[in-house]
Amino acid sequence: EAGVAQSPRYKIIEKRQSVAFWCNPISGHATLYWYQQILGQGPKLLIQFQNNGVVDDSQLPKDRFSAERLKGVDSTLKIQPAKLEDSAVYLCASSLDQGVGYGYTFGSGTRLTVV
Amino acid sequence: GEDVEQSLFLSVREGDSSVINCTYTDSSSTYLYWYKQEPGAGLQLLTYIFSNMDMKQDQRLTVLLNKKDKHLSLRIADTQTGDSAIYFCAENDPGNTGKLIFGQGTTLQVKP
Repeated sequence: EAGVAQSPRYKIIEKRQSVAFWCNPISGHATLYWYQQILGQGPKLLIQFQNNGVVDDSQLPKDRFSAERLKGVDSTLKIQPAKLEDSAVYLCASSLDQGVGYGYTFGSGTRLTVV
Repeated sequence: GEDVEQSLFLSVREGDSSVINCTYTDSSSTYLYWYKQEPGAGLQLLTYIFSNMDMKQDQRLTVLLNKKDKHLSLRIADTQTGDSAIYFCAENDPGNTGKLIFGQGTTLQVKP
């Protein structure tokens, strides 16, 4: 089966600009996750979707970050305006369903550099 | 809150065994995981252990779980240069929604 697709792979923007990332999960996977991985740290969950509904967005900085999952398939994550501390790799993952016991598949990530 | 701690760096010689350690705080975690991340790549699930198990072996990988001390370890036998990567320990969140709590990662360097 095809893996989780993410684009772009790399993005460099200036602070205060906006940026959007795209994720296409594995076909049939109901649950989609966006994680932020700052250099030297483990990934941290930003938002979790179940189909097109939000399960957990408690760690999403809602003043600047937004995410949507239209029709319960593809998802976009947007940052507006970007700050220097947003420099990180943004990882998308999907699983068949939510809950423990369902394996994740991660995409290769989008590396964002804010200058 | 939940917290997962790992040592940052481990260096071994090719052919030796590697042991990567992790401590976690949430005793209600159902599963504990080991992920591998190679440069420029996403995370690859290596193995996982259910919380009612003490040990799991999968080819060159052995996972040991000490629930009393909340300690998890990953042993890689006959370490190869291709095993050089960052290894992350993770636990599932107490709400069992599927959210994972990751440690900061251990960089494994394998010298020829």
